[in-house]
Amino acid sequence: DSGVTQTPKHLITATGQRVTLRCSPRSGDLSVYWYQQSLDQGLQFLIQYYNGEERAKGNILERFSAQQFPDLHSELNLSSLELGDSALYFCASSVDRAFADTQYFGPGTRLTVL
Amino acid sequence: DQQVKQNSPSLSVQEGRISILNCDYTNSMFDYFLWYKKYPAEGPTFLISISSIKDKNEDGRFTVFLNKSAKHLSLHIVPSQPGDSAVYFCAAGSSNTGKLIFGQGTTLQVKP
Repeated sequence: DSGVTQTPKHLITATGQRVTLRCSPRSGDLSVYWYQQSLDQGLQFLIQYYNGEERAKGNILERFSAQQFPDLHSELNLSSLELGDSALYFCASSVDRAFADTQYFGPGTRLTVL
Repeated sequence: DQQVKQNSPSLSVQEGRISILNCDYTNSMFDYFLWYKKYPAEGPTFLISISSIKDKNEDGRFTVFLNKSAKHLSLHIVPSQPGDSAVYFCAAGSSNTGKLIFGQGTTLQVKP
């Protein structure tokens, strides 16, 4: 158990819909990262927040957005969903802002878009 | 454009022998590298890392080697154990850009 929690575990929805994935980092961790893992690709970095502020952006689509709240939990919002958005979405957290810090991953949310 | 590549999708090794997982990268700006292990239905777990100022880092049965001129890193597991069977991801990052790029992963099977 990494100490990072993600909800829900599974999510099934239809194309065009909007969903919100939630992540609670380990106690004391200030950075939250979001990753996408689809069937044919490795882990793709989406976005990082550090202490409430956006720190780094990766391959995140404009239809996706994220935020980190004052209690440091984070939400990833996916809108106008397409079939290709079906994937495992991981959240990770680390103590500080540097990517070289060890990142602790949550168990992931499996999103299925029908 | 895949900046981090793990060319072997799978590897099978006998228990007690050495497992060698390889990773190649293209971006010379990468200055730190990590290996993660992932079991089914779980998130990746950090294994070991190395910065570009070193060419070797050891932690128990795990050793990571970095060859900067060849833009190649490898993870050695000695001796391999059945519990090491998992998917292994290498990742590379640049302190300047603050992004971590993962490889596609290599599935390691250690046979008893």
